[in-house]
This record gives sequence, structure tokens and C-alpha cells, in this order.
Amino acid sequence: NAGVTQTPKFRILKIGQSMTLQCTQDMNHNYMYWYRQDPGMGLKLIYYSVGAGITDKGEVPNGYNVSRSTTEDFPLRLELAAPSQTSVYFCASTGRVGLSTDTQYFGPGTRLTVL
Amino acid sequence: GEDVEQSLFLSVREGDSSVINCTYTDSSSTYLYWYKQEPGAGLQLLTYIFSNMDMKQDQRLTVLLNKKDKHLSLRIADTQTGDSAIYFCAEDALDSWGKFQFGAGTQVVVTP
Repeated sequence: NAGVTQTPKFRILKIGQSMTLQCTQDMNHNYMYWYRQDPGMGLKLIYYSVGAGITDKGEVPNGYNVSRSTTEDFPLRLELAAPSQTSVYFCASTGRVGLSTDTQYFGPGTRLTVL
Repeated sequence: GEDVEQSLFLSVREGDSSVINCTYTDSSSTYLYWYKQEPGAGLQLLTYIFSNMDMKQDQRLTVLLNKKDKHLSLRIADTQTGDSAIYFCAEDALDSWGKFQFGAGTQVVVTP
């Protein structure tokens, strides 16, 4: 299994540009997440999904959109990029079976700079 | 507001034990995790504990849980230079399961 993969690894955007951060997992996990990590800070949840066709807002959803048309893919869309969106973005997934638990598996991250 | 809280920095000498502390928010059934993040990388799971346990040991790692105080700690025995990283605790409460709450991370620096 490749686990959780993210593309691109690095990107520089100009203010007002748009882009999509790609995330794919091959573990057949139902739950998928997008986090951002600002320098010296912890993770903040942007959006999450509990299955194909279902998404919900996290702590910091403004300026972002997501979709979940398949179990494998969970792209994050930035419209009208702003300098405040300069961050490292992590995608994660987890599978859950009844009362057992599974950890979150993280992708390697996308480092985004908005100038 | 209620947050998962951690101390931000820990310096430890090689060969000593490291203890990283965390306080969490939920008093009901909860899974608690410790993750390690090395520079430029994503988070990797180190260990986890369920809230009905007091302690869990896994090789050099020992997790202690004080449910009364909602306090979680991670002890790393015989700390090595490769243990230098940021350590995050995270909570997944069963009444909001799937929505993990992460602490801000503790940067551990191991000195020779």
C-alpha cells in the first residue's frame, strides 16, 4: 500500500489565484481529513469526511472547499488564495470498525506559500 | 475553551529519560494518541491508550494516564538523538469520534 499520498509537495501561489491540493489513500478508509499546520503551531482541522459524498467543516474552513466523490480521493480547493493561507497542509485518513480504533495515517504534506 | 494542551519545549541529554506532558479535554471514553513529527515530514503514530487504562508500555515508551486530572504523559527511556522531533498528543473522544483534537506539540531537543 502507498498509504496517503499528497500532491504537490510544494507550491507558490500569487494572491487571488486558485488551486487544488490532491489527496489519495489506498487503504479503503472511510474517514479523511485536511489539516493545516502553521509554523510552530499544532494542527488545525479544515474539513473532514466520513465517507464518499459526506463532508463537514472543521475548525478553520473559511477560504477552502472540499469534495468526496470516491472513497479514495479527498481534494482540497483554495479559491482566491490569501497570504493567511501560507501553511503546510496535511491530509490524513482513518478506518474505524465498531468500537475498535485505528490511528490517523498522514500524508507527507504540501507546503504552500501565498505571495 | 477546552483544548488539548502541551508544554512547548523540552531539552534532554542523550541517555536520560524524557517526559512529555499533555492535558486533554474529554472525561468520557476516549482514545489518546502520541505522534512524532520529524522535520519536513508528516505525523507518525508512536502509541495510543484507551481511557480505561492507566499505563501502557512499548519498548522505550511508557504512557501514563491520570483520568482524574485528565493528564497524559509520554516517557521515553534512554533518549537518543534520533528522538529529537516534535511530539503531539491527540484525543479522539467517542462522543465526537473521528474528530481528532491535537495539542500544539512539544519540541524535544536531545543534546549529546
